[in-house]
Amino acid sequence: DSGVTQTPKHLITATGQRVTLRCSPRSGDLSVYWYQQSLDQGLQFLIQYYNGEERAKGNILERFSAQQFPDLHSELNLSSLELGDSALYFCASSVLNNEQFFGPGTRLTVL
Amino acid sequence: AQSVAQPEDQVNVAEGNPLTVKCTYSVSGNPYLFWYVQYPNRGLQFLLKYITGDNLVKGSYGFEAEFNKSQTSFHLKKPSALVSDSALYFCAVRDYGGGYNKLIFGAGTRLAVHP
Repeated sequence: DSGVTQTPKHLITATGQRVTLRCSPRSGDLSVYWYQQSLDQGLQFLIQYYNGEERAKGNILERFSAQQFPDLHSELNLSSLELGDSALYFCASSVLNNEQFFGPGTRLTVL
Repeated sequence: AQSVAQPEDQVNVAEGNPLTVKCTYSVSGNPYLFWYVQYPNRGLQFLLKYITGDNLVKGSYGFEAEFNKSQTSFHLKKPSALVSDSALYFCAVRDYGGGYNKLIFGAGTRLAVHP
């Protein structure tokens, strides 16, 4: 158990809908990261937050957004969902720039 | 741009034999390298990292990795494979600077250890 929690574990929704994925980092970790794992794209970095501020953006679509709250938990919002958004979404956390610890992921299925 | 490559989609090993999972990297500056393992329906678990120092890095579950600067490689090794080591292994390099920090992953190598 890495100490990073993600909810929900599974999410099934329809095209065009909006969903919110939630992540709680390890105690004491100020950095939160979101990654997407899909069969065709592999593991891709989406976005990083540090203590509430956005620090880096990767291949994140404009339909996707994220935020980190004062209690350090983070949410990833995915809107206008398409079939191709079906993937495993991971959250990770770290202390400053040390190794990242990953949560169990949320499996999103868009029908 | 930082990148890593895992040249093998799958590695097959007999239980008890040594295993190697290959990774090569391309970075500007000093490389910060990592290995993660993913078991079915699980998240990624951190195995080990190289930042500086000894070229042989020891990690979790008996794994180790050898950093080779001249060959730009960071191969994962284990002296004696277990069936329970069967999983998906990812090599990653840290891309950082200006307050940001992200991991660039390889495509992954599926390790199958046969009894």
